[in-house]
Amino acid sequence: GDSVTQMEGPVTLSEEAFLTINCTYTATGYPSLFWYVQYPGEGLQLLLKATKADDKGSNKGFEATYRKETTSFHLEKGSVQVSDSAVYFCALKTRSDLSGGYNKLIFGAGTRLAVHP
Amino acid sequence: DTGVSQDPRHKITKRGQNVTFRCDPISEHNRLYWYRQTLGQGPEFLTYFQNEAQLEKSRLLSDRFSAERPKGSFSTLEIQRTEQGDSAMYLCASSLLTGTPYEQYFGPGTRLTVT
Repeated sequence: GDSVTQMEGPVTLSEEAFLTINCTYTATGYPSLFWYVQYPGEGLQLLLKATKADDKGSNKGFEATYRKETTSFHLEKGSVQVSDSAVYFCALKTRSDLSGGYNKLIFGAGTRLAVHP
Repeated sequence: DTGVSQDPRHKITKRGQNVTFRCDPISEHNRLYWYRQTLGQGPEFLTYFQNEAQLEKSRLLSDRFSAERPKGSFSTLEIQRTEQGDSAMYLCASSLLTGTPYEQYFGPGTRLTVT
């Protein structure tokens, strides 16, 4: 079945360092891909998304490019801040023929990022 | 605030007791989802409603679990005869039927601890 694999954490970086969190997926069809972020004590928030191959999602300095050939959607940021400390989840939604195509999300296990001053 | 809300935020119960959680989605959202998140894992899909109709249930949702959305607005998730393995964060999300159907908005979750 469909699945998402993320690099294990925690990832510990100094402020202003470059961030990469790897994400690969297995899916039938042509999934939409997402990164969600969970700050301490808060709910999941959509960070960025890409709905087709070669699309680049971006938000708040974070970027991820949908690579169909490598089935990857790696998250990157050029200069992290302490406030970026959170858990990041890669997720996919496949186009479903059921129920009018509702979007059940399949998540990776999450990667905890800790940024130190 | 018009976000997704969940109540209670925390619940501690003894094994064998029944618990019920409530989710209030964003008011104009037709679709409502329940997920379960255990420690160190990503959320796992439990069930989905479109308006008041429950259209899919995961095999994770045993017979002890039941979910309702009686008027197509708020939803409840009940767990009967709780077990220690039910300890988890229960997340609710909602989304539109049209427009931007890809974006699910999540509530803060209900953390259940079964002792």
